[in-house]
Amino acid sequence: DAGVTQSPTHLIKTRGQHVTLRCSPISGHKSVSWYQQVLGQGPQFIFQYYEKEERGRGNFPDRFSARQFPNYSSELNVNALLLGDSALYLCASSLARGSYEQYFGPGTRLTVT
Amino acid sequence: GESVGLHLPTLSVQEGDNSIINCAYSNSASDYFIWYKQESGKGPQFIIDIRSNMDKRQGQRVTVLLNKTVKHLSLQIAATQPGDSAVYFCAENMINNNDMRFGAGTRLTVKP
Repeated sequence: DAGVTQSPTHLIKTRGQHVTLRCSPISGHKSVSWYQQVLGQGPQFIFQYYEKEERGRGNFPDRFSARQFPNYSSELNVNALLLGDSALYLCASSLARGSYEQYFGPGTRLTVT
Repeated sequence: GESVGLHLPTLSVQEGDNSIINCAYSNSASDYFIWYKQESGKGPQFIIDIRSNMDKRQGQRVTVLLNKTVKHLSLQIAATQPGDSAVYFCAENMINNNDMRFGAGTRLTVKP
């Protein structure tokens, strides 16, 4: 059975552009969370979606948005990219709404120049 | 503000020795703690978790200890192997909360 998959694996964007990152959860998992991991730091919580609704949001600006589709896959959108948005963006899926046993994907490495 | 942190950023051990990775937390309301292992180029991998009503939990070659009095969490790895080399993160959460907070991580290097 496939784990959490994310696309693309790497991405280079210019300041001011927007980006869309995609995540497919483990089959049967209904909850998807997004994290930002800056180099040398631990992941920081951005969003959680469960049953296609936003259930939690971290301390990130409104430039960050996300959605979850009927098949439980998810997209993370970031507008007006800043240099500081360069990071590894991780998606994690879990069976239910709580954070118990989240399974992470390999991440998307975003570089903003 | 309240946060999760780690005492040491790096740890180097000899193959076969036991490793102990420490973590301090300050949110007394946290009731669920997790250790993750992250290898280069990969996402964090769940190792073991513990709830606040427990002091100790054991897995395969790993043990997590929770000391709520001093708000301290540790991960013990028995007979450390080269494949254990990675960055280890502790994370804290409140059950059914949606905001899991990670520490900065400890890089474990296992010398042959």
